[in-house]
Amino acid sequence: AQSVTQLGSHVSVSEGALVLLRCNYSSSVPPYLFWYVQYPNQGLQLLLKYTTGATLVKGINGFEAEFKKSETSFHLTKPSAHMSDAAEYFCAVNSGNTPLVFGKGTRLSVIA
Amino acid sequence: NAGVTQTPKFQVLKTGQSMTLQCAQDMNHNSMYWYRQDPGMGLRLIYYSASEGTTDKGEVPNGYNVSRLNKREFSLRLESAAPSQTSVYFCASSGGTGWLYEQYFGPGTRLTVT
Repeated sequence: AQSVTQLGSHVSVSEGALVLLRCNYSSSVPPYLFWYVQYPNQGLQLLLKYTTGATLVKGINGFEAEFKKSETSFHLTKPSAHMSDAAEYFCAVNSGNTPLVFGKGTRLSVIA
Repeated sequence: NAGVTQTPKFQVLKTGQSMTLQCAQDMNHNSMYWYRQDPGMGLRLIYYSASEGTTDKGEVPNGYNVSRLNKREFSLRLESAAPSQTSVYFCASSGGTGWLYEQYFGPGTRLTVT
């Protein structure tokens, strides 16, 4: 079975500071990994995904994530936080032919 | 192009009542999904439909039924609502029949069962 652990249910950063949201996964087969973002009172939208190939994946709005097999991690980063980045972020994993398994989410607050 | 639409946006039910949540997509997607989102639990898959005419159970199907009415529409029915079904329900769709395709989410239905 696959699972996702997101460390920290709530992260606060100052505007302009580095954003780091942590995601660790468990999978017995090569994983496919996703980050979704949910803005208040909206559905989720895809930020980025890793399937195969380059382990550093760039997404929308300046976010990127690096797949590290040895650490079973897929942390999400952005060099400089913006107020508009305040949202809930979900990491998800699957094996390509199984349903997505979502983490419990990390709420990001950005302080002016 | 509205994407994925859900009705209603809000609903309050009494225990034992029934209701159907409606979902429609205008992107000609093959696959559609129903999730529930509970605080601190992330999203959990209730049912999905990989293509028109097929439906499959997800992680938490008990107490729910679904109908893939046509390629555009996928409804979720609660036959006898229970307080444990208080949640936010999201419908999603994706263009392919595999799980690697990006899922597009609707705005959600906030359901309270008293």
